[in-house]
Amino acid sequence: GENVEQHPSTLSVQEGDSAVIKCTYSDSASNYFPWYKQELGKRPQLIIDIRSNVGEKKDQRIAVTLNKTAKHFSLHITETQPEDSAVYFCAANFEGFKTIFGAGTRLFVKA
Amino acid sequence: GAVVSQHPSRVICKSGTSVKIECRSLDFQATTMFWYRQFPKQSLMLMATSNEGSKATYEQGVEKDKFLINHASLTLSTLTVTSAHPEDSSFYICSATDRTNTGELFFGEGSRLTVL
Repeated sequence: GENVEQHPSTLSVQEGDSAVIKCTYSDSASNYFPWYKQELGKRPQLIIDIRSNVGEKKDQRIAVTLNKTAKHFSLHITETQPEDSAVYFCAANFEGFKTIFGAGTRLFVKA
Repeated sequence: GAVVSQHPSRVICKSGTSVKIECRSLDFQATTMFWYRQFPKQSLMLMATSNEGSKATYEQGVEKDKFLINHASLTLSTLTVTSAHPEDSSFYICSATDRTNTGELFFGEGSRLTVL
């Protein structure tokens, strides 16, 4: 079936520390893996994405890694700041066109 | 670019009435639009996929007669919640992809539906 599993559900870190969120997907044909940040009552915002022909991608403090063999991908946020506090969702495409989301990770960055 | 506008942002209705939510792509042609539902503190659950001029494809467990989706043009899709009940209260959010077909989703602002 179409499934994206995400862990942990809640993550609390000290400001300046790193945060890592992990996801696995069920379909080996999936080839697009976006990560979204959602603040309360707002629409999800794309923060980074990766395609299956790449193993790692970095954008300033945010990086994503992909292991296609194991069907898992991870989000890494370095030097976390209080404004990074939000809910983060991983996602994967299925059947070439639809996007299925993980359950979400609530990140708390303590000042 | 790639702006999606969704209205209304909030709606309160009585049980048994119908509510229509509009989703518009403002500066691009949306080949495919997706409707998601998000309950409090939960993830976005895909309800259906719509292509312009075609019938929507509903995900398993989503009642097509209750959640009517119309995608009449390349810039407009509507979701009508028919005979709404309190358990339909949720955050409904649309998204669209453009012709580049990169897979990136462009989200509307979302509509919070409260059924009394």
